[in-house]
Amino acid sequence: DGGITQSPKYLFRKEGQNVTLSCEQNLNHDAMYWYRQDPGQGLRLIYYSQIVNDFQKGDIAEGYSVSREKKESFPLTVTSAQKNPTAFYLCASSIGVSGAYEQYFGPGTRLTVT
Amino acid sequence: GESVGLHLPTLSVQEGDNSIINCAYSNSASDYFIWYKQESGKGPQFIIDIRSNMDKRQGQRVTVLLNKTVKHLSLQIAATQPGDSAVYFCAETSPPGGANSKLTFGKGITLSVRP
Repeated sequence: DGGITQSPKYLFRKEGQNVTLSCEQNLNHDAMYWYRQDPGQGLRLIYYSQIVNDFQKGDIAEGYSVSREKKESFPLTVTSAQKNPTAFYLCASSIGVSGAYEQYFGPGTRLTVT
Repeated sequence: GESVGLHLPTLSVQEGDNSIINCAYSNSASDYFIWYKQESGKGPQFIIDIRSNMDKRQGQRVTVLLNKTVKHLSLQIAATQPGDSAVYFCAETSPPGGANSKLTFGKGITLSVRP
């Protein structure tokens, strides 16, 4: 089956620890995205990548880092510098980064930091 | 799990009735729009899209209407079913086209279907 996988579904960490969220796609899409979702809010863009070894900051990149070493993979690291990391994190991909393409979403990872 | 729909506007409809979910967008130059459905604890799913050169597009049980004059987008769901209960997001490209344009998502509306 083609699609986007995110793991794990639930993740718990202590404050002050970095944590990496996994995102893999087998859709052969060039563009990948990370969003953060909080209750009662829409999706806010953290980082996006148009192509391997290239990525750009979104609207709320502070406290996060990404890498794009392979076309299929776009892991997100939530660093200890992120002041409010508890949230639902969504990864997406699209054929191209131009907004005129549908974005396909993964199932999400719920991160809880205490 | 915690609902992404918490504190969002809610539309309550009777099972079998038609639903109309509305969205106002901000950029008059946006040229591509998508409706997504998100069930609790899951990622958003594509429902239907429309480009700015159209004012109506139909899918299976869903219709999207675009009114560029008043920057308004609506999603109509025919014969609403319990499985339609979810949070619905509209999204637009802003700015349109170009290598770096991105989708901008609205805050979402919760659709609740009464049996």
